[in-house]
Amino acid sequence: NAGVTQTPKFQVLKTGQSMTLQCAQDMNHNSMYWYRQDPGMGLRLIYYSASEGTTDKGEVPNGYNVSRLNKREFSLRLESAAPSQTSVYFCASSEAGNRGDSPLHFGNGTRLTVT
Amino acid sequence: DQQVKQNSPSLSVQEGRISILNCDYTNSMFDYFLWYKKYPAEGPTFLISISSIKDKNEDGRFTVFLNKSAKHLSLHIVPSQPGDSAVYFCAGTGANSKLTFGKGITLSVRP
Repeated sequence: NAGVTQTPKFQVLKTGQSMTLQCAQDMNHNSMYWYRQDPGMGLRLIYYSASEGTTDKGEVPNGYNVSRLNKREFSLRLESAAPSQTSVYFCASSEAGNRGDSPLHFGNGTRLTVT
Repeated sequence: DQQVKQNSPSLSVQEGRISILNCDYTNSMFDYFLWYKKYPAEGPTFLISISSIKDKNEDGRFTVFLNKSAKHLSLHIVPSQPGDSAVYFCAGTGANSKLTFGKGITLSVRP
């Protein structure tokens, strides 16, 4: 049981380059999320998808786009990377949205450096 | 506006003793609180949660206490073990609120 799988694990980009972070879950969860973790900032929500076919902005959406490709997959795209997007990115899924009794399951993260 | 506050960035405890991790919140609409644990180079994992209709929830060595009037919750780990050394995130959520995390606290359990 793989849970939530993120690729790649590490990536270095130059300013202005684009890339897509991939995420897939095999738990048949309805909701999926993208977070970023920065030192001293905790986990901040970038975008989420409450169910297949829907996406919504989180706390820090600027500079990112997302695609809920199907129920399993939720990708995060950086169209023109900036040094401020250097961070560790986590994808997560949950059975049923934002309910407190439906905890998030996280992937192991993608460490992105933008030079 | 920081809705979930973990004011102490770190805590060091002797093995076998109690670890108490504190968390404060400002959003009165939160009705569920969760604790996540994170090891280096891994994603956070769910640890324990509590509904606002309760004031205590226990799971093995882990107990979470909620004081709604003070908007304060705490995670107690008894007894603490070296394997508990990790970053612990407190988070709150409600019907009209997205899950909001605190900045985390680094727990070190000394052998």
